[in-house]
Amino acid sequence: NAGVTQTPKFQVLKTGQSMTLQCAQDMNHNSMYWYRQDPGMGLRLIYYSASEGTTDKGEVPNGYNVSRLNKREFSLRLESAAPSQTSVYFCASSEKAEQETQYFGPGTRLLVL
Amino acid sequence: GQQVMQIPQYQHVQEGEDFTTYCNSSTTLSNIQWYKQRPGGHPVFLIQLVKSGEVKKQKRLTFQFGEAKKNSSLHITATQTTDVGTYFCAGRTSGTYKYIFGTGTRLKVLA
Repeated sequence: NAGVTQTPKFQVLKTGQSMTLQCAQDMNHNSMYWYRQDPGMGLRLIYYSASEGTTDKGEVPNGYNVSRLNKREFSLRLESAAPSQTSVYFCASSEKAEQETQYFGPGTRLLVL
Repeated sequence: GQQVMQIPQYQHVQEGEDFTTYCNSSTTLSNIQWYKQRPGGHPVFLIQLVKSGEVKKQKRLTFQFGEAKKNSSLHITATQTTDVGTYFCAGRTSGTYKYIFGTGTRLKVLA
């Protein structure tokens, strides 16, 4: 039982490059989330998926797209990376969207040059 | 939009001293959660508060939810070096699935 897994652990991109961050959970959770964490800013919600087949914008969705591929997987895509997207990205899941513990993955550290 | 502020931003204490972090929301919350993040790690769920005025304890940790459900606090009694990390609150308003995280309080415990 791995919980929430994220790949890659670390990535360096050049401005304008694209990439997809992968997230998978094996807890049969309905809801999944993508956050970014910048120094002194706490965690900010990028997108979330309350249930399979639905996605919604969070606080900072600009420059990102998501896909809820199935119940287990929720990917985050940067179409044209910018230095302002340098951050640590965390994926999380919960059994249901309201009033439930969020379980976080280990994070992806992204550097955009 | 909804904002969640946390104070202090940093706190250094001697081992054995008490520690408190405060969380204030600009809007009334449906529920609030607290997380701990160790340096280099990911956030780990500590507790959830739902009821107005609720108080919950976990060993040396005491969590409170304000009567107006707009503020919350985490108090640690007799800190230990294992308490080192950043403590975040995360609040949700009714009718939304979004949790807004506070900016966090980084705790350093000096042995």
